[in-house]
Amino acid sequence: QVQLQESGPGLVKPSETLSLTCSVSGGSIYNGDFYWSWLRQPPGKGPEWIGYIYYTGGTYFNPSLKSRLTMSIDTSKNQFSLTLKSVTAADTAVYFCSRGDGALQDRAFDIWGQGKMVTVSS
Amino acid sequence: QSVLTQPPSVSGAPGQRVTISCTGTSSNIGAGYDVHWYQQLPGTAPKLLIYGNYNRPSGVPGRFSGSKSGTSASLAISGLQAEDEADYYCQSYDNTLSGSWVFGGGTKLTVL
Repeated sequence: QVQLQESGPGLVKPSETLSLTCSVSGGSIYNGDFYWSWLRQPPGKGPEWIGYIYYTGGTYFNPSLKSRLTMSIDTSKNQFSLTLKSVTAADTAVYFCSRGDGALQDRAFDIWGQGKMVTVSS
Repeated sequence: QSVLTQPPSVSGAPGQRVTISCTGTSSNIGAGYDVHWYQQLPGTAPKLLIYGNYNRPSGVPGRFSGSKSGTSASLAISGLQAEDEADYYCQSYDNTLSGSWVFGGGTKLTVL
């Protein structure tokens, strides 16, 4: 079955850039049925949707993070990536990659990676 | 503060039935968008439990059921088992600003 795995640094300094990659196995990322998403969960809080990228490279971001976000997709490597610039302590969280399935706004996140804890600290 | 409101905690004895509420507004649940529910065991990723208000993915026991009415939704768990002790989150879409997918703050279920 499809599995997702996050990778990247676990510690980022304030004002620097957070970069994570999600590797997809067990299925092709080049699939128009799904939206490849990033979410995060600060300690003790609920998840927050960050944004998604489609297999065509099209993106849609959370308005509250849009100005600092970039996402990319590499269909040859079956991976997609997230960069978040100018990070602060408020960006400390477990970051998850996930597969979004369903029609338009009624999308659910049906498969999740195990999560990557990212701490923003000097 | 989360866009969708859930009680911080609920509890029940083994075998009992509990419900978890998820309250939204006219810009999310009340606008007709689907509600989905996730179960998160300690130290793990959320797992999709209910999608499309009341549908169960393959492998999710029939003890779990979902419903939606107006600006609210509910998750019911019957025949409580010790393994059900976890955090539960509701999720929907909100059409304010440019629109985004939103979650509740989560409910901690304790099996007594």
